[in-house]
Formats: sequence, C-alpha cells, structure tokens
Amino acid sequence: DTAVSQTPKYLVTQMGNDKSIKCEQNLGHDTMYWYKQDSKKFLKIMFSYNNKELIINETVPNRFSPKSPDKAHLNLHINSLELGDSAVYFCASSPTSYEQFFGPGTRLTVL
Amino acid sequence: RKEVEQDPGPFNVPEGATVAFNCTYSNSASQSFFWYRQDCRKEPKLLMSVYSSGNEDGRFTAQLNRASQYISLLIRDSKLSDSATYLCVVKSSGYSSASKIIFGSGTRLSIRP
Repeated sequence: DTAVSQTPKYLVTQMGNDKSIKCEQNLGHDTMYWYKQDSKKFLKIMFSYNNKELIINETVPNRFSPKSPDKAHLNLHINSLELGDSAVYFCASSPTSYEQFFGPGTRLTVL
Repeated sequence: RKEVEQDPGPFNVPEGATVAFNCTYSNSASQSFFWYRQDCRKEPKLLMSVYSSGNEDGRFTAQLNRASQYISLLIRDSKLSDSATYLCVVKSSGYSSASKIIFGSGTRLSIRP
C-alpha cells in the first residue's frame, strides 16, 4: 500500500495555465508538507499544514495555494504558471516533527 | 552563509571503502538533525536521525558536534547500493509543526566496483 501518493507523476503545461497537484497519505499523520526541488536539487519547504494550521513559507509566491479538504489530503494549486515553476514537487507527511515520509514527486514542466 | 551547507561531491570511492560527509549549520538554536538518502529521480527517505551522543546503524554512523555546529555521516564497507545523494536536514525546533526545516543541497556519492 502506498503511504504517500501524488498525482500526477508528470505534468507538462503552458505558461499562464492553472494546475493542481494532489497528495494523499494513508498513514494517519497530522502534518503534511509541500516541497519544491529545483534543477540544482535544492529541496525547499513551501508549506506545512497541521490540524488546520497552515504555515506559509514567506518566499513562496501567492500564486501557490495549498488546499486541505481533510487530514489525509493536501493539494497544491498553482495559478498563472511561470517557467521558473518547473521543478519536482514533493508532498510529505509526518506523525510528529521527526521523520517525514515523502511521496514519489510530481515533475512539473512549464513550457 | 547558507543555513545548511554540504559538500556537493561527487564522492567517487571503491566498493569496501569508508567514506565520510560533513554538514554544517548556522543556526545555533537548531534542535533536530537527520540524514536522508535520495536516489536518482526518487523521493528522499530517512536514513537516520542524529542524536547528541552519536548513533550507529549497521555500517552507518552519525555524529553531532554542537560546539562546531556540524553533523557527520560515516559509511563503512561501502556497497554499490550506497550510491545516492545524502541530504542533511536541520530543524530549529524539536516538537512544533511550525519549526523551520532546512535541507542541505546534498552530497552525491558514487561507489565503483
């Protein structure tokens, strides 16, 4: 059984489009995260979400908005996509603030 | 100075060798430390947490030096399957979900037969 799943695995789209990435975890964890890994492999946290408390990384443009319909899901919606948004986006979940379990990643390419 | 710094490598060592990486951090208030492993085009996975007293898991040993603000990872008797990127992770608080989580840029390790 997949612990943290993301869809889609690959996403190719045009500049200016709006897209969403879905994330689901079946581990019963309270905290979920979104990370961005760019071409230089830097992995940067974008958001963490714990029991309806959303912690926003101030460096994330407001075109990015996380949405959590319930504790098991944390989706990422991106408006007006830009070339620089091309990256791999990882969702993760954690039972406490220790080990994080990552999803397989979504490779986003903006043309 | 970056908050978490790692030598990007690549480290290219023969099978059976011992290899060590360091990771330095700038925030003296950092509380929790981890090593993650990331295979090519895969997600990061926890390798081990790093405790103040140092800890060992099979061929892997992690150390924390708070005075000098660095953590280290030692791999003994390296295997071909150890080839991966090793990510250092530093958290500013031990318990809060709002704690600051910083990943290092990773050290690439390649084990040759």
